Amino acid sequence: EPEVTQTPSHQVTQMGQEVILRCVPISNHLYFYWYRQILGQKVEFLVSFYNNEISEKSEIFDDQFSVERPDGSNFTLKIRSTKLEDSAMYFCASSEWAEGAYEQYFGPGTRLTVT
Amino acid sequence: DAKTTQPNSMESNEEEPVHLPCNHSTISGTDYIHWYRQLPSQGPEYVIHGLTSNVNNRMASLAIAEDRKSSTLILHRATLRDAAVYYCILRFSGGGSGTYKYIFGTGTRLKVLA
Repeated sequence: EPEVTQTPSHQVTQMGQEVILRCVPISNHLYFYWYRQILGQKVEFLVSFYNNEISEKSEIFDDQFSVERPDGSNFTLKIRSTKLEDSAMYFCASSEWAEGAYEQYFGPGTRLTVT
Repeated sequence: DAKTTQPNSMESNEEEPVHLPCNHSTISGTDYIHWYRQLPSQGPEYVIHGLTSNVNNRMASLAIAEDRKSSTLILHRATLRDAAVYYCILRFSGGGSGTYKYIFGTGTRLKVLA
């Protein structure tokens, strides 16, 4: 069964450093998402991406964040200058379509620890 | 943005039905209601979704109130593997065609007792 993969599984970085989280969505999917989950809290929507551009973003997704689909298979989330409060689990998800509310498939997540 | 309210936790006995409620009193007409669950140390997993009518699939049923201000996820026979956090989510439309946001509730932690 096809699945969303994410690398690395755990990333440790120092405050102020740039970090790139990588995701490989399911191959025939057209919509891509990033979410984050701070330890012990709910899942929070960050951004959705379709047709090589951001479709929607939340208020969390400020100028420090960017997303890219560099090569037709990977989908990346970049945090330009990490802060301690960026420490969280980051989930990538993809869906075949969005009209009609297709289900999203989530990856296993990348745990980001900012020290 | 519309939001959802769920009880923090619920318990059920194995093999019994479970009704997980969700309030979304500020829902708008085009917002879909989604349910996902998250098993320990995993990403969320799709359970079911609906707009106005009740829905059934192999995992669960979704009962949507007539005024759409609340919904209930029904697991017909809870098993130990159903122990997870269940999130009620509103998918609402952004400005343009095909743009959507998914707003998760705080989730209900379901404990299944053997």
